[in-house]
Amino acid sequence: GENVEQHPSTLSVQEGDSAVIKCTYSDSASNYFPWYKQELGKRPQLIIDIRSNVGEKKDQRIAVTLNKTAKHFSLHITETQPEDSAVYFCGTGTASKLTFGTGTRLQVTL
Amino acid sequence: DTEVTQTPKHLVMGMTNKKSLKCEQHMGHRAMYWYKQKAKKPPELMFVYSYEKLSINESVPSRFSPECPNSSLLNLHLHALQPEDSALYLCASSQGTGGRETQYFGPGTRLLVL
Repeated sequence: GENVEQHPSTLSVQEGDSAVIKCTYSDSASNYFPWYKQELGKRPQLIIDIRSNVGEKKDQRIAVTLNKTAKHFSLHITETQPEDSAVYFCGTGTASKLTFGTGTRLQVTL
Repeated sequence: DTEVTQTPKHLVMGMTNKKSLKCEQHMGHRAMYWYKQKAKKPPELMFVYSYEKLSINESVPSRFSPECPNSSLLNLHLHALQPEDSALYLCASSQGTGGRETQYFGPGTRLLVL
């Protein structure tokens, strides 16, 4: 089955700095790559996703890049704010299901 | 309506109890999912329903029994659970089936088994 590795497991940045989270996957059939944000006690919420026919996608301060050859994709958050503090999960989707990475706890400090 | 709802929000049950978790969506989505999430871990897929039929069972113990009465509702029946089953149970739905569609999550039911 699919194996998704996510790094780092924790990330602390100062407000205004950038944060980068990286995921690698094993199944070459994966062609959908979402990122979810989960605040403490809340549901996971989709923040951005990308499909394999696109190498990069941006939405305001958030961007995702995909390297299908190397089987890795990354989440980039610029100008971080305290409200960006949460756990972020990457995912990889095949025809049958979505598999999540292990999660990154992002802490944005003032 | 663009939301997935779940009831109850919290549930405490003994190992001999029978209870049910409920999930509802009115987005016209044809796939619905149950996930289990332990603290500090990612959501772990349990079941997938596609067009009201069970399409994936991730080798979940029989003490968990899913049911999809119609395209908007998804239930998870619980019986003879173990303390290690305590977790957040998340329901999700997507327009299409499989893992290539955006999944929208409900707020979850936080379950404690005593």
